Amino acid sequence: SQQGEEDPQALSIQEGENATMNCSYKTSINNLQWYRQNSGRGLVHLILIRSNEREKHSGRLRVTLDTSKKSSSLLITASRAADTASYFCATDPNSGGSNYKLTFGKGTLLTVNP
Amino acid sequence: GAVVSQHPSRVICKSGTSVKIECRSLDFQATTMFWYRQFPKQSLMLMATSNEGSKATYEQGVEKDKFLINHASLTLSTLTVTSAHPEDSSFYICSARRQTYEQYFGPGTRLTVT
Repeated sequence: SQQGEEDPQALSIQEGENATMNCSYKTSINNLQWYRQNSGRGLVHLILIRSNEREKHSGRLRVTLDTSKKSSSLLITASRAADTASYFCATDPNSGGSNYKLTFGKGTLLTVNP
Repeated sequence: GAVVSQHPSRVICKSGTSVKIECRSLDFQATTMFWYRQFPKQSLMLMATSNEGSKATYEQGVEKDKFLINHASLTLSTLTVTSAHPEDSSFYICSARRQTYEQYFGPGTRLTVT
């Protein structure tokens, strides 16, 4: 079953604005990861946040995790046209021997207009 | 960084033929490799988990006799789509995991079955 659900499904903003994407999940997790995918390409790992962390930063990216609400958000500040891509959250379930299988959400298509 | 390659990047084949897709971790040894399938504008769906030297573990609903996976070494996994049909046309992405939680994704293979 689909674990992560991102919203919004699509987001269009102007260059320089901030973009916020949300992800909700259903079961307990070991960690949650965010990936970016440019059209027709592979995935690029952006950031990983562990279940005992609440917030993490990486450059213009800020990720929060609320395990009580089973939700995470990805904030991209001062967006650029090059940030245009699909963004996926992926959860790593909290089960021993899971081989670290990731379950991906449906993704948010972000369009940054110059 | 960790680089994963896939070959070929695009393949067109006729219905009924078999197609092999290679996934290689170029600068690290992957304890586990994963194969995903992605339909247009949709999320990644995990097909199978591949550990070197052992049989792949397939997700529910994935036909193991149709999607043959061989993980011959710590740097190479192959996915063979046997007796391909038009409904098998999709974007196939592999990923490789080393000793951390992160998965490193290949650039994907676009399969078109005519």
